[in-house]
Amino acid sequence: QAVVTQEPSLTVSPGGTVTLTCGSSTGTVTSGHYPYWFQQKPGQAPRTLIYDTSNKHSWTPVRFSGSLLGGKAALTLSGAQPEDEADYYCMLSYDDAEVFGGGTKLTVL
Amino acid sequence: QVQLVQSGAEVKKPGSSVRVSCKASGGTFRSYAVTWVRQAPGQGLEWMGGIIPSLGTANYAQNFQGRVTITADESTSTAYMDLSSLKSEDTALYYCAIEAFAYWGQGTLVTVSS
Repeated sequence: QAVVTQEPSLTVSPGGTVTLTCGSSTGTVTSGHYPYWFQQKPGQAPRTLIYDTSNKHSWTPVRFSGSLLGGKAALTLSGAQPEDEADYYCMLSYDDAEVFGGGTKLTVL
Repeated sequence: QVQLVQSGAEVKKPGSSVRVSCKASGGTFRSYAVTWVRQAPGQGLEWMGGIIPSLGTANYAQNFQGRVTITADESTSTAYMDLSSLKSEDTALYYCAIEAFAYWGQGTLVTVSS
C-alpha cells in the first residue's frame, strides 16, 4: 500500500501565507490521484476543503487553494486567520484504495 | 441539505463484532459512494472502504481485508459497516461520508475492551 506524507506540523503568522504539501511513496502526485484536502478541528468531524486537486466547495474559504507543486499536491493558505488553526489531512486515490496522509497540525501564531 | 446520522457508541469485547449504521436524511445516496473512515484516539484518519449503493459493489483497504463488510440499503438510505474479530486497536471513532466526502456523519465511538 502506498504511503502518503505530510509535514507533521507548521506554524504561520496571522495574515501570513503557508503551503502544506502531500507526497506519495509511489512517485509524483498527479491530478489522477484526485487529491483531497480536509480540515479537522478538535472534537469535530473532518470537513472537505478541496477536492480533485483544486476544486472548492461552497463552504471553502477563498483564502484556501489547492494545486500541484513540485511533484506533490499542495494546499496554500493565504491570509491565515486564527480560526484556521486545525489539523489538515490530504488524501490520494490509487487504483483500489484511498490513502490519507498522516496530517499536518497547523498553528496560527 | 443531506445529513448523515450514525448509530450510537458501542462497547465491545475483543474477538466480537460491531455494526455501525449511517442513515442519510434530506436526500438519498444517489450514485455516490458511501465511504467509511476511522480515527483512533489522538491519531489520523484511516480509509476503511466504500460502496456505491446503486451498484452494490464494495472495496476495502488492505488493512481490513476479511474483517470489514460494507453494505447499503437504498430503500432506507442507510449504509452499514460491520467489523469483526475486534481488537483493542480497533478502538476509534468511525465516520461515514458521502458525495465525494462532501457530507460526513457525526462519528460513532467504538471501544474495544475486556
